[in-house]
Amino acid sequence: AQSVTQLGSHVSVSEGALVLLRCNYSSSVPPYLFWYVQYPNQGLQLLLKYTTGATLVKGINGFEAEFKKSETSFHLTKPSAHMSDAAEYFCAVSPRGSARQLTFGSGTQLTVLP
Amino acid sequence: NAGVTQTPKFRILKIGQSMTLQCTQDMNHNYMYWYRQDPGMGLKLIYYSVGAGITDKGEVPNGYNVSRSTTEDFPLRLELAAPSQTSVYFCASTSGSVIYEQYFGPGTRLTVT
Repeated sequence: AQSVTQLGSHVSVSEGALVLLRCNYSSSVPPYLFWYVQYPNQGLQLLLKYTTGATLVKGINGFEAEFKKSETSFHLTKPSAHMSDAAEYFCAVSPRGSARQLTFGSGTQLTVLP
Repeated sequence: NAGVTQTPKFRILKIGQSMTLQCTQDMNHNYMYWYRQDPGMGLKLIYYSVGAGITDKGEVPNGYNVSRSTTEDFPLRLELAAPSQTSVYFCASTSGSVIYEQYFGPGTRLTVT
């Protein structure tokens, strides 16, 4: 069974600072990897995904993530935080060839300080 | 396109009552899912469907039932509501042609007292 660990349930950064949200997965075969964002009182929205090919993936709103097989990680970064980035972020995985099921991490709440 | 819609947005139930959470998508997606979200726990899969007439259990199916009579609709039924079912429920769908990109509805916040 695969699992996802997000280190840090709450992360605070200053506006303009680097955003780094950590995600590690546990799977015998590298899965498909996703980052979703949830703004208050809304559903989840896909930020980016890694399925195959280039390991550095760019998403919406200036976010990117790098798949590192040796570290079983898929950390999310953004060079300069904006107040509008304040939200909850979820890392998720899906096994290749599955019935398209997602397993989610427990989430990281990002606070951006002025 | 409206995408994935869910009704109601909020509901308060008494213990032992039953209700149906509605989910509709207009994207002609074959795959549909129900998740529950509890604070600090991420999302847990309750049930999913790979097409009309086909459903299967997810990680936390106890206390819930689903049906899928059409491609568009995937209702979630709560029988004999319990306080442990207090949660936010999300419906999602995907076509499968864009690998595993699930589209989520806005959620239903349910309180059982």
